[in-house]
Amino acid sequence: DQQVKQNSPSLSVQEGRISILNCDYTNSMFDYFLWYKKYPAEGPTFLISISSIKDKNEDGRFTVFLNKSAKHLSLHIVPSQPGDSAVYFCAARAKNTGTASKLTFGTGTRLQVML
Amino acid sequence: DTGVSQDPRHKITKRGQNVTFRCDPISEHNRLYWYRQTLGQGPEFLTYFQNEAQLEKSRLLSDRFSAERPKGSFSTLEIQRTEQGDSAMYLCASSLGGAREKLFFGSGTQLSVL
Repeated sequence: DQQVKQNSPSLSVQEGRISILNCDYTNSMFDYFLWYKKYPAEGPTFLISISSIKDKNEDGRFTVFLNKSAKHLSLHIVPSQPGDSAVYFCAARAKNTGTASKLTFGTGTRLQVML
Repeated sequence: DTGVSQDPRHKITKRGQNVTFRCDPISEHNRLYWYRQTLGQGPEFLTYFQNEAQLEKSRLLSDRFSAERPKGSFSTLEIQRTEQGDSAMYLCASSLGGAREKLFFGSGTQLSVL
């Protein structure tokens, strides 16, 4: 079963506008969430994270929002830039997995920022 | 560049052959992870080392897979008697651990089993 779901395989946004990438999860034991960005032929790169004790975390143009009651998180990128074009993965870690970061990833959303 | 490096970048092999991949983590990182990514999916956890000790293995890791991290530095992942279903991107990641652990991934080894 897919415990972390990214239901939009792709998203196109105009340069300068806001990009909103969504992620839903089913496992109530998840307590830490991360977003990774992946360019072709490269490994995933950490972007931003949020703990379940918060509902928002901001880092420059990137903001992650967490709605625990809806088991939903979103990544906002504003303003979007052409260099943001990549595949974005949502990932989650459960609090009952011991000390290891056994992350559960979604299937990714391909973002294309158009000029 | 002091990021995570993986070798080789690409490997093509025939079914039934053995293959070995190498991962060099960021030097001060004590944790090392192996993940696997197939087409259209996100990465899936395979195994994890704390220094030289392999502490967890996913049920995805069949008996044909073995991983080592001698001396707590680089790691190797060996697949014996490869099958076509083993074709995937094998990703290595390292970290310092901690409650807000961030994994730093390498560029991966793309395995194709013919």
